[in-house]
Amino acid sequence: NAGVTQTPKFRVLKTGQSMTLLCAQDMNHEYMYWYRQDPGMGLRLIHYSVGEGTTAKGEVPDGYNVSRLKKQNFLLGLESAAPSQTSVYFCASSPLRGREYEQYFGPGTRLTVT
Amino acid sequence: AQSVSQHNHHVILSEAASLELGCNYSYGGTVNLFWYVQYPGQHLQLLLKYFSGDPLVKGIKGFEAEFIKSKFSFNLRKPSVQWSDTAEYFCAVPYNQGGKLIFGQGTELSVKP
Repeated sequence: NAGVTQTPKFRVLKTGQSMTLLCAQDMNHEYMYWYRQDPGMGLRLIHYSVGEGTTAKGEVPDGYNVSRLKKQNFLLGLESAAPSQTSVYFCASSPLRGREYEQYFGPGTRLTVT
Repeated sequence: AQSVSQHNHHVILSEAASLELGCNYSYGGTVNLFWYVQYPGQHLQLLLKYFSGDPLVKGIKGFEAEFIKSKFSFNLRKPSVQWSDTAEYFCAVPYNQGGKLIFGQGTELSVKP
């Protein structure tokens, strides 16, 4: 099993550009999450999904959109990138109730917005 | 509202020294607590978890943590650290439902050989 994979690994954007980050998991997990990690701030939840076709906002959703059209994929979109969105983005997934907090993380995407 | 704080931002130890990383939480419901670790260049992974029962929980690689309800703490400990323990450690607590976690700011541990 590959676990949780993310593409791309690195990206540089100019202010105002858009992009989509792809997360894929092969563990048949119901729940998926997108976090951003900034120095001294830990991980903050952007959006999450509790199943195919469902999404919900986390702590810091502004400027991002997500979609979960297939159970194994969770896409994070930046509509109009801003320098404040420079960060490392992590995707995670977890099984159903009882183990939903045992999250499996991807390797991260380092995004720089200039 | 739930919150979690880690007061040690960067800890530097020599090999064989003992480790204790602090984690304090504020949580109104059933207490579940977690420690995650991120080794250099690797994925974040679950180190140990507390759901109920024995307040002293053991995780992978010789780590343990003690839940002290009266102090709202869940400190991570290891009797003797190794160079390979160099990593960033995150304490986390659930909020609401759906598997959502709030993470602490993280503690970077550097172990000198």
